[in-house]
Amino acid sequence: EVQLVESGGGLVQPGGSLRISCVGSGFTFGNFAMTWVRQAPGKGLEWVSSISGNGGSTFYTDSVKGRFTISRDNSKNALYLQMNSLRAEDTAVYYCAKDVPYWGDWGQGTLATVSS
Amino acid sequence: EIGMTQSPGTLSVSPGERATLSCRASQSVSNNVAWYQQKDGQAPRLLIFSASIRATGIPARFSGTGSGTDFTLTISSLQSEDFAVYYCQQYNNWPPGAFGQGTKVEIK
Repeated sequence: EVQLVESGGGLVQPGGSLRISCVGSGFTFGNFAMTWVRQAPGKGLEWVSSISGNGGSTFYTDSVKGRFTISRDNSKNALYLQMNSLRAEDTAVYYCAKDVPYWGDWGQGTLATVSS
Repeated sequence: EIGMTQSPGTLSVSPGERATLSCRASQSVSNNVAWYQQKDGQAPRLLIFSASIRATGIPARFSGTGSGTDFTLTISSLQSEDFAVYYCQQYNNWPPGAFGQGTKVEIK
C-alpha cells in the first residue's frame, strides 16, 4: 500500500522560509516522479511543482518560480519543498502526490500559514 | 495556458438521483482529463483518468465521457458518501496540470 506522509508545515512571517517534507513507502520511490499540489483555505487545487524520479528535471508553476525549490533524496524516500520569500497567498495545505501527470496517491497534507 | 471551467458551481441532488457535472477546456486537450473527489478535510481521490477510465476501486456508478474540449462526470445514483467537491484536471499540456475550480455536490 502506497503511503505518503507530509510534515514541516507551520506559521511563518511574510518574507520567511519554510521547508516541508514528504516520506513515501509501499513503492519504489526513485522510480516515480513526485509532485506538490496546494490548496488555499476554502479554495481549489493548484499544482505547484514536480520532480522526475532521478531528480534531474524539475517543474514549477509560474507564481513560485525563483522562490520555491523542489528536491528529493531517494536514499531516504523523501521529497522536499523549500519555500523562500513566502507571501500571504502561499498560505495553503500542501499535498505531496505520487507520479505525473495525474495523481492517484496523495498524502494527508501539511498546512503552511504565512502571516505576521 | 489551458483553462478548465466547471459547471455548475454547486449541484443540489437528492440521494438516489443522477448527477451530471461538466468541465470545459479552453482548447482541445484530447482525452487527457482526470476527475477527483474531495471531501472536507481529506486529500483528493482520483476517480477517472483518460476521460473515461475508472481508477482502481472506484464504483461503477461513476462514469466519465468526453474528448476535445467538453467533458462530463456522471454519478448514476448518488449515495450519501458521494456528497463532496469534484475537480477536473487537464494533462494534455503538462506542466501545468490545470484544475477546474470545482463543483460542490450537496444534498437537496
